[in-house]
Amino acid sequence: SQTIHQWPATLVQPVGSPLSLECTVEGTSNPNLYWYRQAAGRGLQLLFYSVGIGQISSEVPQNLSASRPQDRQFILSSKKLLLSDSGFYLCAWLSDRGYTGELFFGEGSRLTVL
Amino acid sequence: AQSVTQLDSQVPVFEEAPVELRCNYSSSVSVYLFWYVQYPNQGLQLLLKYLSGSTLVESINGFEAEFNKSQTSFHLRKPSVHISDTAEYFCAVSRNFNKFYFGSGTKLNVKP
Repeated sequence: SQTIHQWPATLVQPVGSPLSLECTVEGTSNPNLYWYRQAAGRGLQLLFYSVGIGQISSEVPQNLSASRPQDRQFILSSKKLLLSDSGFYLCAWLSDRGYTGELFFGEGSRLTVL
Repeated sequence: AQSVTQLDSQVPVFEEAPVELRCNYSSSVSVYLFWYVQYPNQGLQLLLKYLSGSTLVESINGFEAEFNKSQTSFHLRKPSVHISDTAEYFCAVSRNFNKFYFGSGTKLNVKP
């Protein structure tokens, strides 16, 4: 069966520090991968998505970046965090088979920038 | 680009009462529509979806949603809610299964 792992689960970082959140998927190949940010009252904001290794599409211009070094690994990064980067970050994957349209979400990473 | 509007941020309702959670979308092309649910302290999971065919779709736990193209809506309904339905519900839209856009969410609070 397919599983998705995100870490760390919780992170407290000072303003200006770097960030790295990692997401890996098991049990599937060539998935679409997504990073969303969930903020109170704003729902889920699509940040990045990837349809394959090295292929990243950015939805929102900001100081975050994403990379996909391997088929089932998706990394969210920042060189210098801002207060506004605080939030709950969710990784998700979509199977490339069947076009069922179902996204599978990880448990999330809660980032607090102080 | 597509966008999703969920007008109600919170919906309080008594147990066994009916409920409707509203969702409107904007898109100049045909889209696929979804409702996801996030129970307290859990991740998001798919509740139901409209891809094609019948405009009325149902979930296994009694929710239903109707795709209305003329009104660009995909409202979620349940005739009788239970305490266990307390959760946050998100409407989402996708045009081509590459990008999925979500609404701001509606917190359903079922009271005894």
